Amino acid sequence: AQKVTQAQTEISVVEKEDVTLDCVYETRDTTYYLFWYKQPPSGELVFLIRRNSFDEQNEISGRYSWNFQKSTSSFNFTITASQVVDSAVYFCALSESLAGGTSYGKLTFGQGTILTVHP
Amino acid sequence: NAGVTQTPKFRILKIGQSMTLQCTQDMNHNYMYWYRQDPGMGLKLIYYSVGAGITDKGEVPNGYNVSRSTTEDFPLRLELAAPSQTSVYFCASSFAPYNEQFFGPGTRLTVL
Repeated sequence: AQKVTQAQTEISVVEKEDVTLDCVYETRDTTYYLFWYKQPPSGELVFLIRRNSFDEQNEISGRYSWNFQKSTSSFNFTITASQVVDSAVYFCALSESLAGGTSYGKLTFGQGTILTVHP
Repeated sequence: NAGVTQTPKFRILKIGQSMTLQCTQDMNHNYMYWYRQDPGMGLKLIYYSVGAGITDKGEVPNGYNVSRSTTEDFPLRLELAAPSQTSVYFCASSFAPYNEQFFGPGTRLTVL
């Protein structure tokens, strides 16, 4: 069975600090996808990034960066110079494994990390 | 494009009542999903559909039913509501498996 663990339940930082959100996953398959979603206080879910299991390159998008390490089954998310608008719940998710060549895109979510950025 | 829309936004049910949560997407996506989010928890998959007429159970299907008669609509039916179904329900769609899923704004349901 697949599993996603976000061990940090809540993180509190002061504006302009860097912050890293951890994500550890478990899967038996070699082909899979990992996602990060943001849920601001308004409640909607916003897609941030998708990474496939064959691409271990780190990615940077503005103040956001992601570090994917298959050796440790981790897909960590770093926000540089955090801002108050970054305050949200962040979810890491794993797509269902590709079994028998068939996939339906079902996601397994971690429990989320609540990030609070204070001015 | 409106994306994924859900109605209602809020609803309070009494134990034993039934209701249908509506979900519509205008992106011509084949893949649609229903998740529930309990307080302080991540989302859990209830049902999903890979196209009109094709649905299947997710991780937590008990107490729910779905149908998919058109590409656009994917309603979720609650029969005999129970307090354990108090949650926020999200509908999502995607163009293909492994693509990003687009989420609706959610329906907050309370069963008393």
